[in-house]
Amino acid sequence: KQEVTQIPAALSVPEGENLVLNCSFTDSAIYNLQWFRQDPGKGLTSLLLIQSSQREQTSGRLNASLDKSSGRSTLYIAASQPGDSATYLCAVREGGGTSYGKLTFGQGTILTVHP
Amino acid sequence: EAQVTQNPRYLITVTGKKLTVTCSQNMNHEYMSWYRQDPGLGLRQIYYSMNVEVTDKGDVPEGYKVSRKEKRNFPLILESPSPNQTSLYFCASSTKGGGGKYGYTFGSGTRLTVV
Repeated sequence: KQEVTQIPAALSVPEGENLVLNCSFTDSAIYNLQWFRQDPGKGLTSLLLIQSSQREQTSGRLNASLDKSSGRSTLYIAASQPGDSATYLCAVREGGGTSYGKLTFGQGTILTVHP
Repeated sequence: EAQVTQNPRYLITVTGKKLTVTCSQNMNHEYMSWYRQDPGLGLRQIYYSMNVEVTDKGDVPEGYKVSRKEKRNFPLILESPSPNQTSLYFCASSTKGGGGKYGYTFGSGTRLTVV
């Protein structure tokens, strides 16, 4: 059974700092990996999608990497801002069999960026 | 605008009173799924559908039903709601392959309280 772990569970940083969120998964037979942002009580906003054949994706100040063989992904946020404060979720999409298409989520990292 | 629309956003109901949460997507996606989110348990898959008339159980299907009569709609039915189904529910959709630029798209969520 796929398990996804995110470290740290919570992170508090001053504005302007660069930071890294970590995600690990137990079964490397994934189709892709997606990073989401969730504001309190709100829906999930997709940030980046990395296909299993890719190594990284970038969008603005965000960069996500994927090392499928070691079961790890990182989300790098450059020059953090208070508006980046949210919960960041990592999810892996399984590749086949009875779990086709299923997303397995980590517990999330709660990020607080203070002015 | 490409989106997944859930209704209602908030719902308070009493134990045993049947209810339906609607979900509709306008992206012609084959794959749709329901998740529930609970503190400490994260996001868990309830049911999914790979296409019209094709549905299957996720990790926590007990107490729920779904149907997929049209490609765009995937309602979640609680025939006899109980307090342990109080949760935040999300509908999501993606292309069959799960690729493309966006991966999964999530709705804004339905906060259900069963008293």
